[in-house]
Amino acid sequence: DAGITQSPRYKITETGRQVTLMCHQTWSHSYMFWYRQDLGHGLRLIYYSAAADITDKGEVPDGYVVSRSKTENFPLTLESATRSQTSVYFCASSESRGLALAGELFFGEGSRLTVL
Amino acid sequence: AQSVTQLDSHVSVSEGTPVLLRCNYSSSYSPSLFWYVQHPNKGLQLLLKYTSAATLVKGINGFEAEFKKSETSFHLTKPSAHMSDAAEYFCVVRTYSGGGADGLTFGKGTHLIIQP
Repeated sequence: DAGITQSPRYKITETGRQVTLMCHQTWSHSYMFWYRQDLGHGLRLIYYSAAADITDKGEVPDGYVVSRSKTENFPLTLESATRSQTSVYFCASSESRGLALAGELFFGEGSRLTVL
Repeated sequence: AQSVTQLDSHVSVSEGTPVLLRCNYSSSYSPSLFWYVQHPNKGLQLLLKYTSAATLVKGINGFEAEFKKSETSFHLTKPSAHMSDAAEYFCVVRTYSGGGADGLTFGKGTHLIIQP
């Protein structure tokens, strides 16, 4: 089915472990985003990507790494997870930067990560 | 800098009664404002947007919002609540940072509870 999918949907890990959250979209959208959602903070942008092999930092990039070797995939890696990274992570995509800034973002269902 | 403040973290209404979710914004530019809805365990979905056209904006599922520059507000309303409206609602403003760093700033969210 077309859309944007995230995996895993739920993950429990321990402090110091590496975790990768996957995001896959089937629309061939140029732009992809990673947000984290925390109670009392709304959504905050971690990283975004304008195209394959082009990524840039958002508001809260520390502790995260991204890559985008293919247009359709945008994995987010926590190289050494910390308790403060316990959060719900959302991937989103948009056809263009202009459309993204016009609110035309398509979100995945989220990945709930707990770091013990 | 641009920002939004959602005035209520939780709103509870009875089914069939009006809904009012309040949002105030701060922007030195003519703002672009959005409302997103997030149903339980789902990604965010664009509900409606204001981009300097008509001040009364109609969205999906019977929701609408009115841009009031004099009050710096963009409140979301619906005449009659349905059980299916129970969700988290986010007010969002486009931010202008220059240098290609424009983005979207999310409010902290309002949890809408519908009482039967």
